[in-house]
Amino acid sequence: EAQVTQNPRYLITVTGKKLTVTCSQNMNHEYMSWYRQDPGLGLRQIYYSMNVEVTDKGDVPEGYKVSRKEKRNFPLILESPSPNQTSLYFCASRKVAGRVGELFFGEGSRLTVL
Amino acid sequence: QKEVEQNSGPLSVPEGAIASLNCTYSDRGSQSFFWYRQYSGKSPELIMFIYSNGDKEDGRFTAQLNKASQYVSLLIRDSQPSDSATYLCAVNIRRGGADGLTFGKGTHLIIQP
Repeated sequence: EAQVTQNPRYLITVTGKKLTVTCSQNMNHEYMSWYRQDPGLGLRQIYYSMNVEVTDKGDVPEGYKVSRKEKRNFPLILESPSPNQTSLYFCASRKVAGRVGELFFGEGSRLTVL
Repeated sequence: QKEVEQNSGPLSVPEGAIASLNCTYSDRGSQSFFWYRQYSGKSPELIMFIYSNGDKEDGRFTAQLNKASQYVSLLIRDSQPSDSATYLCAVNIRRGGADGLTFGKGTHLIIQP
């Protein structure tokens, strides 16, 4: 089954404790992206990657890091989480040659930073 | 100026009626437009895309695009309770970088049985 898998789905952590949210897709998509979704603010892009070893900032990259060492994986790293990073996070992927808006989303990771 | 705007709702529509969802965008050069449906607590799911002015129909869904007015809409005919969700408009906004998909904040649609 074609899918984008995120882990963990739910996480409660404390300020300053490094964490990684993993994202993996099995569709051989070149493009992968991370979004956060907050009430009243909608979906906002954090980082994206057009292919292996190619990453770029989205609209709200501060406080986040990413890496793309393999085509299928695109982890999101919070080096020192803060309460304002409490949010619902989505990973998404698509083919680079496909329509820019034809994104396949993971199920989401709800993060709470105390 | 906000790039993609939607009325947040909630928009309440009786079952069987036509639901009309609207979206405006700021970049006159935008070429591609998308509608996503998002059920509460779930991930967004692409339901329609449109590139050319006019109407595009897919089952009970019709997307309408008017580039001159910078306006895109989604009509849902014969609305069902299962259509109750938040609908996100997404537009390919030109930016300096390679990726320019921008989402509106979404319209919460409620279909009343």
